[in-house]
Amino acid sequence: EAGVAQSPRYKIIEKRQSVAFWCNPISGHATLYWYQQILGQGPKLLIQFQNNGVVDDSQLPKDRFSAERLKGVDSTLKIQPAKLEDSAVYLCASSAGTDTQYFGPGTRLTVL
Amino acid sequence: RKEVEQDPGPFNVPEGATVAFNCTYSNSASQSFFWYRQDCRKEPKLLMSVYSSGNEDGRFTAQLNRASQYISLLIRDSKLSDSATYLCVVYTGFQKLVFGTGTRLLVSP
Repeated sequence: EAGVAQSPRYKIIEKRQSVAFWCNPISGHATLYWYQQILGQGPKLLIQFQNNGVVDDSQLPKDRFSAERLKGVDSTLKIQPAKLEDSAVYLCASSAGTDTQYFGPGTRLTVL
Repeated sequence: RKEVEQDPGPFNVPEGATVAFNCTYSNSASQSFFWYRQDCRKEPKLLMSVYSSGNEDGRFTAQLNRASQYISLLIRDSKLSDSATYLCVVYTGFQKLVFGTGTRLLVSP
């Protein structure tokens, strides 16, 4: 079974630029999560989707971050404009409706 | 108070040693608990689940103390390959996990 796919794996941008990340969850998983993991910290939930609907985006900085999962399968997370403090690993995870989540390899973002 | 608290370490131990990590959580209604392992520059992967008082898997033992709201992970006979960050994770309901900051373990020859 294929795991959670993410791209790109690495991205370097300058502050105030925009960037987008893509995630394809495990086939059949209705729930999709985006996490931000800053160096030395645990993953922090940004947004949770159930199919194509948002379940929780309370910790998403909506002035600069946006995410969508239009067809209830793959998802994109966008940052516009990026700030220095957005440098982190962005992890996508999916779940089949249980308490177990499976993570993708992450996208490492560096904002200069 | 953070929802999940862990000592960030690092814990430096020699091969063959026994090491234990503790984690405390604030939500007394939490139902299930997990330890995830995260290698350097890799994604977190599920190591163990803890649904009742404890769970054992080979050299790894996880214990849950609901009265004191803490979870522990014990690693016996440490291997070099055990070097990683161990994340304490609490399931808060609605398919949502809350992660601790992680405890870094370094096992040396």
